[in-house]
Amino acid sequence: ETGVTQTPRHLVMGMTNKKSLKCEQHLGHNAMYWYKQSAKKPLELMFVYNFKEQTENNSVPSRFSPECPNSSHLFLHLHTLQPEDSALYLCASSQEGPGTEAFFGQGTRLTVV
Amino acid sequence: AQSVTQPDIHITVSEGASLELRCNYSYGATPYLFWYVQSPGQGLQLLLKYFSGDTLVQGIKGFEAEFKRSQSSFNLRKPSVHWSDAAEYFCAVGDPLDGGSQGNLIFGKGTKLSVKP
Repeated sequence: ETGVTQTPRHLVMGMTNKKSLKCEQHLGHNAMYWYKQSAKKPLELMFVYNFKEQTENNSVPSRFSPECPNSSHLFLHLHTLQPEDSALYLCASSQEGPGTEAFFGQGTRLTVV
Repeated sequence: AQSVTQPDIHITVSEGASLELRCNYSYGATPYLFWYVQSPGQGLQLLLKYFSGDTLVQGIKGFEAEFKRSQSSFNLRKPSVHWSDAAEYFCAVGDPLDGGSQGNLIFGKGTKLSVKP
C-alpha cells in the first residue's frame, strides 16, 4: 500500500475512444503530478497541481486533459490518442510541493491501438 | 539547464557482491537529491534522500548514498546485493526553493540492475 492509488492498472483503448485515468492519494499531500514513462526515455513530467491549482503543463498535447477537483484526487482525461502515447502513466504526490520527496502510485499501463 | 546523468544503463552483479550506481547532476545550486527504485510493472519507491547535513545518507533495504559537491555526484551503494534487489534505479534532483518550473523533480534515465545467483 503506497498511499497513492491509480486506476485502472491496465487500459487498452482505440484512437477514437475517450477514457480517464484516476489517481487518489490518502497522504494529505498538497501537490499532485502526472508523469509519463516510456521505454528508454526518462520520466517526463506532464502536469503539476499545487493546492488544486495547475502550476505546470510541460507542452503536453491537448489530447491529454488533467483535472484536480480536490487535493486528494487527480484525473487524466484522454481522447483521440496516438499509438506513441502508449506508456506507463504515473501519478505522484508530495507534501511540500514541487522539488521535494514524491510518493508514486503503481501506474496505469496504457496501450493505444 | 538542469540535468541528471546515470551513465550505466545496465549493471549485472553477483549476489553477495557490493554495488555502486552512479549519478551525476548539473544544477546551479545544491539541489535536493533522491534515489528511487522501480520493480517491473510497479511505481517508484523512494530509497533515500539528501537535503543537507551529513553527506552520507542511509536509506531503506540497506542502501546508502554519498553526496559529493565537488564532483556533483550522488552515488548509491550497497555492501551486499540480494537477488530481490534486481530492479531499475532512478536518481532524481529537485529544488523546492526555486519558485519556477526549474524546481520540479528531474529524473535520470535509470540503471537496470540484474543479480546473478
